[in-house]
Amino acid sequence: AQSVTQLGSHVSVSEGALVLLRCNYSSSVPPYLFWYVQYPNQGLQLLLKYTTGATLVKGINGFEAEFKKSETSFHLTKPSAHMSDAAEYFCAVSDRRDDKIIFGKGTRLHILP
Amino acid sequence: EAQVTQNPRYLITVTGKKLTVTCSQNMNHEYMSWYRQDPGLGLRQIYYSMNVEVTDKGDVPEGYKVSRKEKRNFPLILESPSPNQTSLYFCASSRQGEGTQYFGPGTRLLVL
Repeated sequence: AQSVTQLGSHVSVSEGALVLLRCNYSSSVPPYLFWYVQYPNQGLQLLLKYTTGATLVKGINGFEAEFKKSETSFHLTKPSAHMSDAAEYFCAVSDRRDDKIIFGKGTRLHILP
Repeated sequence: EAQVTQNPRYLITVTGKKLTVTCSQNMNHEYMSWYRQDPGLGLRQIYYSMNVEVTDKGDVPEGYKVSRKEKRNFPLILESPSPNQTSLYFCASSRQGEGTQYFGPGTRLLVL
């Protein structure tokens, strides 16, 4: 069975500092991996996804994530945080055999001025 | 514009009064799904549909029903709502095999 673990339900960083949101997954087959962002009072929108090929994936708004098979991780990073990055971030995994996605419990990112 | 729409966006109701939340997508996606989002629990899948007339239970189906009579629509039905169904509900759709799900704006439901 697939699962996703996001370390830290809340993360605070200063504006301009590095953002690092951690995600570990388990999957018995090569997975699809996703990061979604949810701004206040909005639905989820896709930040980036990994399917095959290059393990460093670039997404919108300057975010990127690296698929590390040996560590079963897919951490999300951004070099310099902006106030507009304050939101909840969800890591998700799909096993490719069907369209079901399993979501982590989310990490709320707070940006300190 | 490609989108998933949900109605209503906000709903207050009382225990036992049947309600339906509609979901529609204009992207000709085969796969549609309903989730509920609760603090600290993330998103949990209620029901999903692989195509017209094909539906199946997700992780938390109790107290909910769905139907998929047309490809674009996937309504969520609460026959007898209870307070523990107070939550934020999201509909999502995706093209078969693509993986990426596109989400609606959410429906915030309060059951008194």
